[in-house]
Amino acid sequence: KAGVTQTPRYLIKTRGQQVTLSCSPISGHRSVSWYQQTPGQGLQFLFEYFSETQRNKGNFPGRFSGRQFSNSRSEMNVSTLELGDSALYLCASSSTSGSPYNEQFFGPGTRLTVL
Amino acid sequence: AQSVTQLGSHVSVSEGALVLLRCNYSSSVPPYLFWYVQYPNQGLQLLLKYTSAATLVKGINGFEAEFKKSETSFHLTKPSAHMSDAAEYFCAVTPRGAGNMLTFGGGTRLMVKP
Repeated sequence: KAGVTQTPRYLIKTRGQQVTLSCSPISGHRSVSWYQQTPGQGLQFLFEYFSETQRNKGNFPGRFSGRQFSNSRSEMNVSTLELGDSALYLCASSSTSGSPYNEQFFGPGTRLTVL
Repeated sequence: AQSVTQLGSHVSVSEGALVLLRCNYSSSVPPYLFWYVQYPNQGLQLLLKYTSAATLVKGINGFEAEFKKSETSFHLTKPSAHMSDAAEYFCAVTPRGAGNMLTFGGGTRLMVKP
């Protein structure tokens, strides 16, 4: 079974631009969660989608948005990029939402650099 | 709001020595608790989890953790460190009924000396 795929793996943007990151979950998984990892703030939850509905949202500004498609693939978008948005963005997929008995599997991440 | 504290951002042990990584959580109701490992340039891998069954949880690669409600702790241990254990370790919690939202501790980088 293929793991969680994130594209692109590396991305360089300039301030003010927008960016879209993609996450393809493990086949059959319906939950996709997104996390931001930075040296200063650590790992922070962005949002979770389950069956195309946003289930949870972290404490991030409205510039961060996401969506999930009917095939469970998810995208996150960051508009008006700031230098502080430079981070590793991780997505995780799970077959269910809210059950710790089903493991969340993480992708390798997308490294975003904002210049 | 839930929070997780990992005491010690860096821990160094000799190969073959005991590994102890500390994690404390704050919550009025015991949450679900997890330990993840991250190797350089990779995502996170689940080591073990506590879901209110046995308080001593065994995970992969010889790691285990004990849930202690009275101490609000979930420390990770391994009897004998191996060079391949060098990585960053994260403790995480999710409140019951909160979907898959994980709150992570700051992480502990484990270094293993030969």
